[in-house]
Amino acid sequence: SYVLTQSPSVSVAPGQTARISCGGDNIGSRSVHWYQQKPGQAPVVVVHDDTDRPSGIPERFSGSNSGNTATLTISRIEAGDEADYFCQVWDSSSDHVVFGGGTKLTVL
Amino acid sequence: QVHLQESGPGLVKPSQTLSLTCSVSGGSIGNRDYYWSWIRQPPGKGPEWIGHIYYSGSAYYNPSLKSRLVLSVDTSKNQFSLKLTSVTAADTAIYYCARMFYSYYYFDSWGQGTLVTVSS
Repeated sequence: SYVLTQSPSVSVAPGQTARISCGGDNIGSRSVHWYQQKPGQAPVVVVHDDTDRPSGIPERFSGSNSGNTATLTISRIEAGDEADYFCQVWDSSSDHVVFGGGTKLTVL
Repeated sequence: QVHLQESGPGLVKPSQTLSLTCSVSGGSIGNRDYYWSWIRQPPGKGPEWIGHIYYSGSAYYNPSLKSRLVLSVDTSKNQFSLKLTSVTAADTAIYYCARMFYSYYYFDSWGQGTLVTVSS
């Protein structure tokens, strides 16, 4: 089955840029979706279909996807961005949803 | 704005059946643009897709759970449900229902989640 790999943690100072990666075999050929989850809350989609931002999500959140790595970039980091971030794809070969293990973003 | 709400027992004994229902408001479960999904998240871990169902009743299951899992939909009540049999402690998790865009396969709305503990 398809596997998505994320680094367990990323730490960034306020005002800087965070890059959270999601690795998978030829992931660039798939649509990648990113979720933010704060403690005690349900996940919220912040980027879908590699680069699209839902309404209400700040422009500071952006995505890219190429080769074997998809990346969520959060610019001008704020304290409120501290959360777990998960990537997700649809594996059409097996007809099921796959989540990455998640990356904990810590704002220093 | 669609709203999803999970309901069901918070405690289930080992070997018994876990049953949850998701009530949908602010939108029709018969909307052909969406699948209706279940996702669970063990404490401190990442989400795990359980499965999803279309308004027609067509369902997709996580292969690791398929032998124990049944999803159903009740369009008259605007609800969908999950039954997971023969539960063990490994099934302890927060269970979320969510709406997934048909053909885009991402979750745009989630319930608040409900903690289900499997313990005697």
